[in-house]
Amino acid sequence: SYVLTQPPSVSVAPGQTARITCGGNNIGSKSVHWYQQKPGQAPVLVVYDDSDRPSGIPERFSGSNSGNTATLTISRVEAGDEADYYCQVWDSSSDWVFGGGTKLTVL
Amino acid sequence: EVQLVESGGGLVQPGGSLRLSCAASGFTFSSYDMHWVRQATGKGLEWVSAIGTAGDTYYPGSVKGRFTISRENAKNSLYLQMNSLRAGDTAVYYCARGVGYGSGSKLDVWGQGTTVTVSS
Repeated sequence: SYVLTQPPSVSVAPGQTARITCGGNNIGSKSVHWYQQKPGQAPVLVVYDDSDRPSGIPERFSGSNSGNTATLTISRVEAGDEADYYCQVWDSSSDWVFGGGTKLTVL
Repeated sequence: EVQLVESGGGLVQPGGSLRLSCAASGFTFSSYDMHWVRQATGKGLEWVSAIGTAGDTYYPGSVKGRFTISRENAKNSLYLQMNSLRAGDTAVYYCARGVGYGSGSKLDVWGQGTTVTVSS
């Protein structure tokens, strides 16, 4: 089965840049999608196909994917960005797979 | 407005059954793949099942043979029949809309979830 590995937590000061990684075997060959989930709320798609943003998502959210690591980058972090973030891929042997999630703390 | 509203959650004993429903509105339901994703308290997201526009179904090993996903396009509704429930199935269950194909497949709209508790 295909496994996605995320760091449990990332901390960043307001105004700085947060980078959340998602590791997987040759993940660069797949399309990676990222979801934001705030406490008590449903997940929201914030980046899809590695680096595209749905309408309504700020340009501060961006993504990249190469080799064995995909990265969600949040520039000029705000208090409202504090949330759990999940990466997701589709794999031919495992179907839809989510990473374990990363809790972003804004200091 | 595109919306998904889940219902049917509740408390069920181990070994019991429960049927979840998801009512879709604001989009052409029959044109989209649909998914169920669950989240145990304090845990991450776990994909539970998917159904394509042609009625093809997909499950992970953890629920295969116990859960059945189905859809009724005339009613804009998605269902999840859950049998032989275990304590480990306790979670919030989300209905989600799928877009894209293969590697590009992602979930772009989510409901607010319904809670399933399996306990004696």
